[in-house]
Amino acid sequence: EDKVVQSPLSLVVHEGDTVTLNCSYEVTNFRSLLWYKQEKKAPTFLFMLTSSGIEKKSGRLSSILDKKELFSILNITATQTGDSAIYLCAVPQPSGTYKYIFGTGTRLKVLA
Amino acid sequence: NAGVTQTPKFQVLKTGQSMTLQCAQDMNHEYMSWYRQDPGMGLRLIHYSVGAGITDQGEVPNGYNVSRSTTEDFPLRLLSAAPSQTSVYFCASSTVGRSSGYTFGSGTRLTVV
Repeated sequence: EDKVVQSPLSLVVHEGDTVTLNCSYEVTNFRSLLWYKQEKKAPTFLFMLTSSGIEKKSGRLSSILDKKELFSILNITATQTGDSAIYLCAVPQPSGTYKYIFGTGTRLKVLA
Repeated sequence: NAGVTQTPKFQVLKTGQSMTLQCAQDMNHEYMSWYRQDPGMGLRLIHYSVGAGITDQGEVPNGYNVSRSTTEDFPLRLLSAAPSQTSVYFCASSTVGRSSGYTFGSGTRLTVV
């Protein structure tokens, strides 16, 4: 069965800390992995990863994919209270490029 | 450019009632889908459409119907609401070749009592 598993389920840190969120997957015909940030409402896109070992970076956020070990990590450095959110990863299902399997998410809370 | 618009934002239904959640996008996206989000379950696909006139079931389709008469609109119908359908519903759209996955609507929080 295709699945996406995120860890930890929740995390509480203080401002300035660095966090690493994990997403492992078991999906046949893997094509890509996406990270989303969900604050109060709709998830918003962060990164799409297709190639192993190539880091995607945006400000304090970065992500990398390991296709051999079937996982991705999302790093957030120098965390701020505005980083508090649920972080979701998603992988397209084998049967459809735009049918995604989502992980349950990691709930991050950053304390001032 | 409004993106993906969902209405209503909140709704309370009694068991057995029916209703339609509306979803419209103005980006000319071919692909539209409905997800529900429950605590500890992540986002689960209900129904999806790859273009006008074409719909298909996702992971949790029971109790829901959809139609896609135009590219822009993709309504989700609850036929006879049940408490198990209490959830947050997201509509999302995408286009072929887009490297940023879905654009999501702001969600509808539905409570069935």
